[in-house]
Amino acid sequence: DTAVSQTPKYLVTQMGNDKSIKCEQNLGHDTMYWYKQDSKKFLKIMFSYNNKELIINETVPNRFSPKSPDKAHLNLHINSLELGDSAVYFCASSRGEEGYTFGSGTRLTVV
Amino acid sequence: GDSVTQMEGPVTLSEEAFLTINCTYTATGYPSLFWYVQYPGEGLQLLLKATKADDKGSNKGFEATYRKETTSFHLEKGSVQVSDSAVYFCALRTNAGKSTFGDGTTLTVKP
Repeated sequence: DTAVSQTPKYLVTQMGNDKSIKCEQNLGHDTMYWYKQDSKKFLKIMFSYNNKELIINETVPNRFSPKSPDKAHLNLHINSLELGDSAVYFCASSRGEEGYTFGSGTRLTVV
Repeated sequence: GDSVTQMEGPVTLSEEAFLTINCTYTATGYPSLFWYVQYPGEGLQLLLKATKADDKGSNKGFEATYRKETTSFHLEKGSVQVSDSAVYFCALRTNAGKSTFGDGTTLTVKP
């Protein structure tokens, strides 16, 4: 009964490839997020969707494109992967003023 | 803009020691305040929260009090255990729904 589930958990790929990370939440939350965590554990917001509508789009290369087919899913597609994209990517969801529920992360390694 | 400043780590304590991790914030209005914990290899988990001045959040022996006059939300625990070793994040969320995370503080508790 995982609340926020991400797949895959690990992703190793070569530079220049295109990859996707999927996220699903079964909490009935109306807002979903993508965060990037670097090797120093710093968290950076990338995108936020509310009821399938993009509401936060931070300064992220346009190689990153989120897609929300419904309010329970938020996927992240990355084109032309670069070495600097290596990080842990977290999906999260929330409702109202409650705190966030995070997924367990996807560790992306670009070689 | 909004910001959260956490005590720099890493913090190393012996088991049963008293823990304080300082957190101060800058925000317009009256944000909600949160502490999250990230255990190795996992996503962030909400530890506790406070939504208005003088509220005290508590969970698993951890406490933090929302101090509007000092714009602080320090995390405390009276007696830490080895299992408390993790990265702790302070965060705020404004009424507009925007969240800001601190840089995280790594805690290591030695037996």
